[in-house]
Amino acid sequence: DVKVTQSSRYLVKRTGEKVFLECVQDMDHENMFWYRQDPGLGLRLIYFSYDVKMKEKGDIPEGYSVSREKKERFSLILESASTNQTSMYLCASSLSPGLAGPGVNIQYFGAGTRLSVL
Amino acid sequence: GESVGLHLPTLSVQEGDNSIINCAYSNSASDYFIWYKQESGKGPQFIIDIRSNMDKRQGQRVTVLLNKTVKHLSLQIAATQPGDSAVYFCAENMSGPGRRALTFGSGTRLQVQP
Repeated sequence: DVKVTQSSRYLVKRTGEKVFLECVQDMDHENMFWYRQDPGLGLRLIYFSYDVKMKEKGDIPEGYSVSREKKERFSLILESASTNQTSMYLCASSLSPGLAGPGVNIQYFGAGTRLSVL
Repeated sequence: GESVGLHLPTLSVQEGDNSIINCAYSNSASDYFIWYKQESGKGPQFIIDIRSNMDKRQGQRVTVLLNKTVKHLSLQIAATQPGDSAVYFCAENMSGPGRRALTFGSGTRLQVQP
């Protein structure tokens, strides 16, 4: 089974702190994603990465940055946390869409990190 | 921008009945769709997917129907069980290079009454 592990289930931080959310996957997937999930808004894409050291902005990248130094690890960074970044953060991974066959775009999710910024 | 949406935010069904969760999509270039289930305190779990060259796909107790003419997707759950209570999301994707991310709908909560 694919396993996507997020380092923390719950985090409480103060406004202005630098926050790191870590995600590790064990299936050698090329693609990794960070989403935030808010009531009534569903999942919104923050950033994704399709290879080591490569990244692309998603729909709501403002206030966030990412790092992918190793294939299995994708970090989300809040440079200066703000209260409007209080949310559930979900990490996902998937195979490269360049492969043929069904199911190549299935994203596998971690359990989520619930971040509260006070 | 183009988006994926859901008709009903909450669906309540009796145990043993069939459930139908609907989803409308607006991106005519989308050719791959996925349904996810998210239980409380967990991340979304893959249920079933379908490509645009199909109009129906069946899994274990679940069926996904795709109507490209009206850009509508549905998830049917047969003999709904208490363990099916969760939030269900549809998501769309354009296959091939250049777009790897999924666009998610806002979700429908399924409540199964005993």
